[in-house]
Amino acid sequence: QLQLQESGSGLVKPSQTLSLTCAVSGGSISSGGYSWSWIRQPPGKGLEWIGHIYHSGSTNYNPSLRSRVTISVDRSKNQFSLKLSSVTAAETAVYYCARDEGGGFDAWGQGTMVTVSS
Amino acid sequence: QSVLTQPPSASGTPGQRVTISCSGSSSNIGSNTVNWYQQLPGTAPKLLIYTNNQRPSGVPDRFSGSKSGTSASLAISGLQSEDEADYYCATWDDSLNGPVFGGGTKLTVL
Repeated sequence: QLQLQESGSGLVKPSQTLSLTCAVSGGSISSGGYSWSWIRQPPGKGLEWIGHIYHSGSTNYNPSLRSRVTISVDRSKNQFSLKLSSVTAAETAVYYCARDEGGGFDAWGQGTMVTVSS
Repeated sequence: QSVLTQPPSASGTPGQRVTISCSGSSSNIGSNTVNWYQQLPGTAPKLLIYTNNQRPSGVPDRFSGSKSGTSASLAISGLQSEDEADYYCATWDDSLNGPVFGGGTKLTVL
């Protein structure tokens, strides 16, 4: 069974770069037909898609974040990563990684809380 | 402000049928399929309905989805206490070139 697990810094200072990794187990990140996304949820609020990377390595980002986001993949470690630069307190949220098999996000990580604070 | 519009709350008593609406536009719901997610308190969202009206394995047939034009609906029949959760609709947006979510509906079982 596919499992995703987020990891990374839980506390980031304003204006610095948030870095997270999603480790995938029970399946290969290189399998065709899937995209791998980052999604966030501020406390008490809804879900926001940040961006995704396809098995080919091509990426697509939310236009509102595009200038600050980078998603990359490490096939040797079967994981993908998120970097979000120049963060503000408003970006305090639970960050999820998820797989999209074309019909929705069918597998999610448990989520990791990231707090932006000095 | 979410791209897709959902009522912030809904409620029902055990055994009742409730529906949750999701309104979009021609660039999202109007031209793409809709998925629904259930988020129990403190947990990650779970895919509940995909491609408008399909249930993943393990999802009870009490849950059903439909789509018409630029709107979609999630129906829950035979409401149970464990259905108390937040529900989100989602679809692809051709203008954004990415997935978009509704603001979520908090379902309370009275």
